[in-house]
Amino acid sequence: GEDVEQSLFLSVREGDSSVINCTYTDSSSTYLYWYKQEPGAGLQLLTYIFSNMDMKQDQRLTVLLNKKDKHLSLRIADTQTGDSAIYFCAESRDDKIIFGKGTRLHILP
Amino acid sequence: NAGVTQTPKFQVLKTGQSMTLQCAQDMNHNSMYWYRQDPGMGLRLIYYSASEGTTDKGEVPNGYNVSRLNKREFSLRLESAAPSQTSVYFCASRLWDTEAFFGQGTRLTVV
Repeated sequence: GEDVEQSLFLSVREGDSSVINCTYTDSSSTYLYWYKQEPGAGLQLLTYIFSNMDMKQDQRLTVLLNKKDKHLSLRIADTQTGDSAIYFCAESRDDKIIFGKGTRLHILP
Repeated sequence: NAGVTQTPKFQVLKTGQSMTLQCAQDMNHNSMYWYRQDPGMGLRLIYYSASEGTTDKGEVPNGYNVSRLNKREFSLRLESAAPSQTSVYFCASRLWDTEAFFGQGTRLTVV
């Protein structure tokens, strides 16, 4: 298909790890991104991974890339209330950036 | 360094009115984008400009026009607004295929 797919909702208990999954479409995509959107705000780049990498770690964030399956995941360790937001997966395809519909992360106390 | 600046932040239009959404970036980026965000739909690409002097249609271009005025500015025009164009509009820019930087959005309501 043409779409970047991700689940729409995820609930996680505070302190647990959150894992947000995404499938993308174009095996020739050079960069894959995770953006975070807080209520009423624009999108902020959270992290990205270049297509020749399998994993990238940045403090509490771990990105895993499986090029064979075109699968991307974002793991947030020790999830905090401030992590409550919508997370968008995106791929760089030709001159465009194509976004998934976003995963709303809800933190349970 | 302001990044990506969109104006206005809020707008209410009557059906059939026209308006132009402005976007400017000060990062010397070559590519600029206009997206719309609707509940449950994610961000959908309206138009983009890979370089000064070029524009291309995205996923949902109908009802919109764009102008890449210079390297810094990329405007989005609604010639005859319709209620279906009620949305939050985001402008973004980037350098080649690196990460995109977003403006804060324009919340448009068409009544």
